[in-house]
Amino acid sequence: DAKTTQPNSMESNEEEPVHLPCNHSTISGTDYIHWYRQLPSQGPEYVIHGLTSNVNNRMASLAIAEDRKSSTLILHRATLRDAAVYYCILRDAEYGNKLVFGAGTILRVKS
Amino acid sequence: EAGVAQSPRYKIIEKRQSVAFWCNPISGHATLYWYQQILGQGPKLLIQFQNNGVVDDSQLPKDRFSAERLKGVDSTLKIQPAKLEDSAVYLCASSFWNTIYFGEGSWLTVV
Repeated sequence: DAKTTQPNSMESNEEEPVHLPCNHSTISGTDYIHWYRQLPSQGPEYVIHGLTSNVNNRMASLAIAEDRKSSTLILHRATLRDAAVYYCILRDAEYGNKLVFGAGTILRVKS
Repeated sequence: EAGVAQSPRYKIIEKRQSVAFWCNPISGHATLYWYQQILGQGPKLLIQFQNNGVVDDSQLPKDRFSAERLKGVDSTLKIQPAKLEDSAVYLCASSFWNTIYFGEGSWLTVV
């Protein structure tokens, strides 16, 4: 399984944008980049995913480097409810393939 | 749309006892996963089902853990006999295509 590297923790102020980086230098051509987050005492929840182009949804934006060896999850205005562990995961395009989680980034949001 | 249902939410047992966790995935989701999450770590895949067949159980400790998914719908994960190091959250998840949906987890404490 291809590996990802994320900072252990990051801190942000409320109402400010947050950029969460992820390195995946061994990514293969069929790997999708997925982001999940896990709030305290809950199961992980899907945030966003992409293959080559930048992606936007109601929760976040995903910026993917041209060589696909890194990506950044962007939360446009952090709220206290965004405090969670954020996981960057490579998932093969094969149908039904698993998610292999790393340690993730702990995001703290200060009011 | 109903989410992934798990029970029980919390369980405390003594070592060498047995325990079973139940999961009902989202309707129509063919793929079902069981993950183990130890405090402070990311979830680790134990077993993946495609309908009622096992796709990946390479990290399932088969001497004490077993799982089944009869009829390709709900699933049961059993631990017998439990060890102290089995204390963790057991997460069930299901997917139809590219997004995996997690339940809230079953918290196991082995004393």
